[in-house]
Amino acid sequence: AQKVTQAQTEISVVEKEDVTLDCVYETRDTTYYLFWYKQPPSGELVFLIRRNSFDEQNEISGRYSWNFQKSTSSFNFTITASQVVDSAVYFCALSEYTTSGTYKYIFGTGTRLKVLA
Amino acid sequence: DADVTQTPRNRITKTGKRIMLECSQTKGHDRMYWYRQDPGLGLRLIYYSFDVKDINKGEISDGYSVSRQAQAKFSLSLESAIPNQTALYFCATSDRGNQPQHFGDGTRLSIL
Repeated sequence: AQKVTQAQTEISVVEKEDVTLDCVYETRDTTYYLFWYKQPPSGELVFLIRRNSFDEQNEISGRYSWNFQKSTSSFNFTITASQVVDSAVYFCALSEYTTSGTYKYIFGTGTRLKVLA
Repeated sequence: DADVTQTPRNRITKTGKRIMLECSQTKGHDRMYWYRQDPGLGLRLIYYSFDVKDINKGEISDGYSVSRQAQAKFSLSLESAIPNQTALYFCATSDRGNQPQHFGDGTRLSIL
């Protein structure tokens, strides 16, 4: 069954600390896509990254980096030198191809990150 | 202007009232979605539509209905609102099912 687990409900760090948000997924398919979204206190949902199941290269974008490991079914997100503006709820999501010929999209329950000044 | 626009942004209403939440998009995407967000439960899919003639139930469709009036418009209705439908509702669009979803700013709905 398709499932996305974000076991960390809430994390608090002090500014400039590094922090990793965990995402573990379950899928039966060999072709799937993983995503991270950010929801700042203002409430909108912002897309951060998309990764397909055939590309296990890690990705870095500024202070953000993503570690995709198929062996552990994880797609973890690290923020280096965190800043107060990183405070938000972060969602991991999975899209997999179904037997009905469509993609099914499922979100994790989110991790609330608080970065303290 | 926002690519995905939801109206209203906030609504307070009473139990038993009929409510309609509207979503319009300028992204030209065929796929549109309605989600609700509750604390600790993440985003749960209510309904989704792949085009004007294709509407599908999500995991929590009971108590809701939708209408896809045009490629750009997708409305969510609560026929007889109840307090446990109090939540933050999001509309989203995507080009294809394996692409990122683009969200509206959300509608905060409170049912008293």
